[in-house]
Amino acid sequence: DVKVTQSSRYLVKRTGEKVFLECVQDMDHENMFWYRQDPGLGLRLIYFSYDVKMKEKGDIPEGYSVSREKKERFSLILESASTNQTSMYLCASTLFLLAGGGNEQFFGPGTRLTVL
Amino acid sequence: RKEVEQDPGPFNVPEGATVAFNCTYSNSASQSFFWYRQDCRKEPKLLMSVYSSGNEDGRFTAQLNRASQYISLLIRDSKLSDSATYLCVVNPYNFNKFYFGSGTKLNVKP
Repeated sequence: DVKVTQSSRYLVKRTGEKVFLECVQDMDHENMFWYRQDPGLGLRLIYFSYDVKMKEKGDIPEGYSVSREKKERFSLILESASTNQTSMYLCASTLFLLAGGGNEQFFGPGTRLTVL
Repeated sequence: RKEVEQDPGPFNVPEGATVAFNCTYSNSASQSFFWYRQDCRKEPKLLMSVYSSGNEDGRFTAQLNRASQYISLLIRDSKLSDSATYLCVVNPYNFNKFYFGSGTKLNVKP
């Protein structure tokens, strides 16, 4: 049974704190993603990684950084948390496939982060 | 303009009804298309991929119209358990990037 796990389901932090969100997948997938999901806006891509130590900015990378030191682990870092980063954060992974291969993404259960 | 647009709904239908959702996408070079289902406070899960020829999985039928740049999902004989938010997902020329619609909420009533 494939699995993507995230370190916390719920997290409350204060403005200015450094926040680490961890994601681990056990499927040996090359690609991993961090999204945030907000009402009415859907899932928006923050960063993705297509290999160890490789990363690319998504659509909303400002205020975030990432780390991928091992294939199975992808971390999202909020250097200085702000209230507008209160959101649901979802990690996903997918096996690299050629075009038309149907890249199913597997999601973790999400971390609901509240920044006070 | 958003990459992927969906009617947020909610669509309120009785059990047994047939319901259809559409989703439009802006990038004509998009390669792959998907419908995901998301239950309340849960993560999205793949419902079905959408192929050029259309595809069917039980009560669910997905269609792609490249000329008009939309995909559709048809649910026949709705069940209470179909109540969820349905997300349209498009994978453009960059294979490792996915664009999500904001979702269409379906409520199936007894």
